[in-house]
Amino acid sequence: GAVVSQHPSRVICKSGTSVKIECRSLDFQATTMFWYRQFPKQSLMLMATSNEGSKATYEQGVEKDKFLINHASLTLSTLTVTSAHPEDSSFYICSVMMGMNTEAFFGQGTRLTVV
Amino acid sequence: QKEVEQNSGPLSVPEGAIASLNCTYSDRGSQSFFWYRQYSGKSPELIMFIYSNGDKEDGRFTAQLNKASQYVSLLIRDSQPSDSATYLCAVKAGGSYIPTFGRGTSLIVHP
Repeated sequence: GAVVSQHPSRVICKSGTSVKIECRSLDFQATTMFWYRQFPKQSLMLMATSNEGSKATYEQGVEKDKFLINHASLTLSTLTVTSAHPEDSSFYICSVMMGMNTEAFFGQGTRLTVV
Repeated sequence: QKEVEQNSGPLSVPEGAIASLNCTYSDRGSQSFFWYRQYSGKSPELIMFIYSNGDKEDGRFTAQLNKASQYVSLLIRDSQPSDSATYLCAVKAGGSYIPTFGRGTSLIVHP
């Protein structure tokens, strides 16, 4: 399976600042990566699909100007939460899938707390 | 809209018992089915996947799929306290990269 490394695992930031989260596919060249958000006791909600070398595809209701995604290489995708607010506090997880019918491989997740 | 439903629980079972976790889905075109385990504060990890009707066994885990009734279940035999976690069911339509996740069932295995 794919090994996915996500950094940082935890971050606390002040309201109004921006936070960047990195997701690396260590042993698989991923043309597509996926970003999820999970609130407590809730399911994983897909935020966006990150496409290498092109614009990300955002799910309905996700603000693309607030959640900036950059997928500049086959091994790295970044999610930047801009002008963060307390309601953005959540668990953010990236994933890679090696094929259409295969399982998702997840990064370790990033716990974002906005104070 | 594709939906995946799970009882949120918690499901509490004694150590050594069989834990039965259930999941129903709405999209009849679904072809791939996955069970993930998620410990508190951690990201999900794959337990099992199943594509065909029937049972699939892997150690203490058995996945059961019934496409006609649109449900998939996970049985955990000889449950251990270390199995205490939230179990997420995920379903993919044919030809799709993107799974739909259920909310998860919290399992508590008490000594």
